[in-house]
Amino acid sequence: QSVLTQPASVSGSPGQSITISCTGSSSDVGGYNYVSWYQQHPGKAPKLLIYEVTKRPSGVFNRFSGSKSGNTASLTISGLQIEDEADYYCSSFSSVSTAPRVFGGGTKLTVL
Amino acid sequence: EVQLVESGGGLVQPGGSLRLSCAASGFAFSNYWMSWVRQAPGKGLEWVANIKRDASEKYYVASVKGRFTISRDNAQNSLYLQMSSLRAEDTAVYYCGRDISPTGIDLWGQGTLVTIAS
Repeated sequence: QSVLTQPASVSGSPGQSITISCTGSSSDVGGYNYVSWYQQHPGKAPKLLIYEVTKRPSGVFNRFSGSKSGNTASLTISGLQIEDEADYYCSSFSSVSTAPRVFGGGTKLTVL
Repeated sequence: EVQLVESGGGLVQPGGSLRLSCAASGFAFSNYWMSWVRQAPGKGLEWVANIKRDASEKYYVASVKGRFTISRDNAQNSLYLQMSSLRAEDTAVYYCGRDISPTGIDLWGQGTLVTIAS
């Protein structure tokens, strides 16, 4: 019942590219350029990968890229590597209710 | 080193209270919004609350409003989450995060586990 909708799982082979979608509404993803993406390996804290839809923090590889069209944001990982296997979460600023930040339900990436 | 370290988690009975702490170091704590985010076992991330630099604004997810209180002590570089009337569904790892509001959370602690059970 997350506010933002992500596919539960995606998979790819090493070297391939994959895209994870994140669908919201005009009150969050579609209305603001404040979408962020996080990577979480098992038992570890999340790590910021992308902020403000397309920007990468220092130290994040350029294999990770973000985009947005309408109410759907996307994270693309190119040149998949084994260590990319993790859970990925999108998040957005939201103008609805008193909770200004919402997360997607998460997507499990399997690198075959 | 830039880091956040949470503490205070543990086992609490339903209806009980608990106070989580988050110690910040390596950056100008008072210049940042701060957030709490939780993750129930095997589930996704859920934003819980955040607080403005000077504590003049605080926001909560609906499920904890009236039961949880976020606060900070800029002199001690510390963030807190006072939790009361705890329920089984509050069981989760609680992370504190440096909130570059409204953009996102760019620094996370390692988390502290809160278990609500009798």
